[in-house]
Amino acid sequence: AQRVTQPEKLLSVFKGAPVELKCNYSYSGSPELFWYVQYSRQRLQLLLRHISRESIKGFTADLNKGETSFHLKKPFAQEEDSAMYYCALSGFNSGTYKYIFGTGTRLKVLA
Amino acid sequence: DTGVSQDPRHKITKRGQNVTFRCDPISEHNRLYWYRQTLGQGPEFLTYFQNEAQLEKSRLLSDRFSAERPKGSFSTLEIQRTEQGDSAMYLCASSSGPSLTIETQYFGPGTRLLVL
Repeated sequence: AQRVTQPEKLLSVFKGAPVELKCNYSYSGSPELFWYVQYSRQRLQLLLRHISRESIKGFTADLNKGETSFHLKKPFAQEEDSAMYYCALSGFNSGTYKYIFGTGTRLKVLA
Repeated sequence: DTGVSQDPRHKITKRGQNVTFRCDPISEHNRLYWYRQTLGQGPEFLTYFQNEAQLEKSRLLSDRFSAERPKGSFSTLEIQRTEQGDSAMYLCASSSGPSLTIETQYFGPGTRLLVL
């Protein structure tokens, strides 16, 4: 089955602490991986994607094909990072386009 | 252009009624997507258009659901004979670029549907 798993519904960390939001995927083929973020009362927006190898707002994510993981990391959390984070993948499987989101992790950064 | 817009933002209807939602994408974007999001879940892909052609439909899109993008600009999603299980946030997104699987999708604010 093709799926994206985010095992934590809620992650609370203190300001300045490191953050790691976990994402594991199951997919036949080579998907593209993304992280989306939704701040309070705002729309869903792309945070970063694997193919760009970028760091956005201090966040990075490394694709580990062996472990089929794409964890999101930030060395020092800020209060403004508090939001809902979704991991997603896209690709074609048996000729069918797939765009699959995980169930999301709510990050709370405590002062 | 202020981004992807959706109308209405909220809709309350009675079971059995038909509802229609509208999405206006970013003007130069040729791809448009519909998703459904229920409480505690991530968005679930429903369908996408490239220009006016509907190129993919998820199995989630039952016969009661139909989507159109007649002139390759705005899109409508209609649900006929609504059921309580249709209650959800319906999200629209648009994109443009050389490759479907890596393009940035820009999301609208969503239409929240409540079926009584």
